[in-house]
Amino acid sequence: GAVVSQHPSWVICKSGTSVKIECRSLDFQATTMFWYRQFPKQSLMLMATSNEGSKATYEQGVEKDKFLINHASLTLSTLTVTSAHPEDSSFYICSARDGGRGYEQYFGPGTRLTVT
Amino acid sequence: AQSVTQLDSQVPVFEEAPVELRCNYSSSVSVYLFWYVQYPNQGLQLLLKYLSGSTLVKGINGFEAEFNKSQTSFHLRKPSVHISDTAEYFCAVSPNTGNQFYFGTGTSLTVIP
Repeated sequence: GAVVSQHPSWVICKSGTSVKIECRSLDFQATTMFWYRQFPKQSLMLMATSNEGSKATYEQGVEKDKFLINHASLTLSTLTVTSAHPEDSSFYICSARDGGRGYEQYFGPGTRLTVT
Repeated sequence: AQSVTQLDSQVPVFEEAPVELRCNYSSSVSVYLFWYVQYPNQGLQLLLKYLSGSTLVKGINGFEAEFNKSQTSFHLRKPSVHISDTAEYFCAVSPNTGNQFYFGTGTSLTVIP
């Protein structure tokens, strides 16, 4: 149990276009989801916390107009990178917290975004 | 505020030798502690966690960790490593009052045949 999926697993897009990444909890209801960004050989940086039915909370330095987060249901959160640029190329990982199981976060497999 | 320090960025070790990956943290509140493993181009997999109770925690793949409150440490150990243990390992803390996870910078474990 406690499986989180991400789609797509990798995506290549042209500079200036927008890309949507989906994060789904497959067998539990995720009241809270988190979006992380990971640069090569570096740790995960929390970008934002997403609560179902409310606006996401962004970490300092993360542009909320560039990284649009929507958590429309208890099993789905989306991250849209708007007007992508090469510097947005990164590995994006989501995680989900099942409030009924304590404080553990369950991580998705990640999405590799390359902006050309 | 919370912070996590993983003292060793890279740890090479011979196959079947023991290994210890160090993690220290600082926090003004009580925390939960986690170790995750990440294989190339994959997400994070939970190895083990400390929430409360016994300070020695056993996880998957033969790993264990010991919570030391006085030293604010949560070092990860394995008595005999395998080639398949080669991966990136992340220590993380989460305050017991909130949702957020704070990750260390990671330790790259390389098992040498």
